[in-house]
Parts: sequence; C-alpha cells; structure tokens
Amino acid sequence: ELKVEQNPLFLSMQEGKNYTIYCNYSTTSDRLYWYRQDPGKSLESLFVLLSNGAVKQEGRLMASLDTKARLSTLHITAAVHDLSATYFCAVDNKFYFGTGTSLTVIP
Amino acid sequence: DTEVTQTPKHLVMGMTNKKSLKCEQHMGHRAMYWYKQKAKKPPELMFVYSYEKLSINESVPSRFSPECPNSSLLNLHLHALQPEDSALYLCASSPTFAGGTYEQYFGPGTRLTVT
Repeated sequence: ELKVEQNPLFLSMQEGKNYTIYCNYSTTSDRLYWYRQDPGKSLESLFVLLSNGAVKQEGRLMASLDTKARLSTLHITAAVHDLSATYFCAVDNKFYFGTGTSLTVIP
Repeated sequence: DTEVTQTPKHLVMGMTNKKSLKCEQHMGHRAMYWYKQKAKKPPELMFVYSYEKLSINESVPSRFSPECPNSSLLNLHLHALQPEDSALYLCASSPTFAGGTYEQYFGPGTRLTVT
C-alpha cells in the first residue's frame, strides 16, 4: 500500500514569515494533490500536480512536485492568519491522503 | 455550478437503525467518491463509482452499502452500524476517475453519530 507522510504535523508560524510543508510518498505516482481543510469543514482542492517538475502558484501558496524524489512541497510566502487550516496532500488515482499538517498563523 | 451537496448535515442513529446518506452533483462529473474522516485524521477512501459502476471498494464492511442511481446521485446506505463508525462522511466528484487532469470537488459532509 502506498504510504504518504507529511511534515511537520503541526506548524505554528508568525504572520509575514515563510515556511514549507513536505509530502513524501512511498511508491511511484504520476499525480499529486493538495487540499485545505478548515476546522469542522470539508476539503477544498488547492492544486493538482501531474508531472515531474510541475509548479503551481495561487496567492501566497506555491506547490511543486519531484516525482523522482517522490516529494512534493507546499511553500507559504508571507503567511497571513487566513491561511490557518489543515493541509493535506494526496497521491495516486486512489487519493491516498497524507497525515495532514495543521497550520496556525499567529498575528 | 461547482457544488456538491450532501444531506443530511448531521445524523444520529442507533445501532439497529437503517439510514441513508445522499450526495448530488450537477457538474456532469462521471466519477463519485465516498470518504470517511475521523477527527484529526485524513480522509479514507471507501468507494469510487465511475460511470455509475462501482470501481473501487476499499474493503469496506457490508454494513455500508453504496448506490449510484444515476450520474448525478450517490447514496450510502447504512445498516447495523457500530459506534466506531461515527465520523464525518464526505462525498466528492471529479470529471473522470482515471486519466486526464481531474480535480475533486468535495461536499460539506454528513456528520454521523452512532449511539
């Protein structure tokens, strides 16, 4: 079974700072997804990455994919409080989800 | 319309009850999914329907019975559930299941409590 690990599991950061969330997966996959989930809410799709070297950006978030290293990153630039949420990556057409990263941005 | 709707929002049921969860989308998507999510855990895939046929059953106990009556509607029939089945049940849809660029759209979920 494909295993997907994220780190860190918990992240507390100050507004205005930059940070990166990492998503590692155990076997080859040609697709990777990033989602956001607010407390008590459903999931919102952020990015779909389909090829090695793919990079996508939306606002303060940028996601990249290295299929050879089986690694995706979600980079946060100049964090703001509204980005506080849990972020999940998911891999493969069976959507194996990572452990999640709970992000808190402190004013 | 990029919305997936789920009803009910909350459901409390006893272990001997039979109930159903409903999911609907009108985006013309041909793949629909059921997930189970426990508190502070990632979603776990339960079932995938592709073109109204069951494509994936992730070894889900038979007390959960999915149904896809048409391309817009997905049901999850519940019977003789256990307290450990209490969770948030999420429905999602995507244009197709395999191949292509497909993004999933999630419904708001049904929060199920089994007493």
